[in-house]
Amino acid sequence: DSGVTQTPKHLITATGQRVTLRCSPRSGDLSVYWYQQSLDQGLQFLIQYYNGEERAKGNILERFSAQQFPDLHSELNLSSLELGDSALYFCASSGHVMGPDTQYFGPGTRLTVL
Amino acid sequence: AQKITQTQPGMFVQEKEAVTLDCTYDTSDQSYGLFWYKQPSSGEMIFLIYQGSYDEQNATEGRYSLNFQKARKSANLVISASQLGDSAMYFCAMREEDSGGGADGLTFGKGTHLIIQP
Repeated sequence: DSGVTQTPKHLITATGQRVTLRCSPRSGDLSVYWYQQSLDQGLQFLIQYYNGEERAKGNILERFSAQQFPDLHSELNLSSLELGDSALYFCASSGHVMGPDTQYFGPGTRLTVL
Repeated sequence: AQKITQTQPGMFVQEKEAVTLDCTYDTSDQSYGLFWYKQPSSGEMIFLIYQGSYDEQNATEGRYSLNFQKARKSANLVISASQLGDSAMYFCAMREEDSGGGADGLTFGKGTHLIIQP
């Protein structure tokens, strides 16, 4: 158990809908990262938050957004969903924003868009 | 160009043998980190081992060791005395410094599917 929690574990929804994925980092970790894993694109970094502020952006679509709250949990919002958004979404956390700090991954949320 | 290259899509290995999973990387940064993660069929991503670009010694964690050859830009994972439970996808990843001196998200390779046979 990495100490990172994600809910829900599975999510099935329809095209055009909006969903919210939730992540709680390991106790004491200030950085949260979101990743998408799909068969087409592999594992891709989406976005990073550090202590409530956006820190780095990867290949995140404009239809996607995230935030980190004062209690350090984070939410990833996916809107106007398309079939191609079906994927496993991971949250990871680490203790620092600087340097190659180890990221510990949550169990993931499997999103299926029908 | 791919930043992380894993050239072995799949490998079959006999139980108790040692395994080497290949990883080469491409970066112009001086400071970076290299990671290996294991993803069993259940889907979770499990951190195995880390090597910093300035580390002079190869990293080791139990049965895992990282064969770091900086000049060749390779960071191969070695698993000694393989076990049936080692069957999984293995991903090599890199974290580089960004332009602001901080560090970005991980860049992953496509992975190697390792199957340990009894």
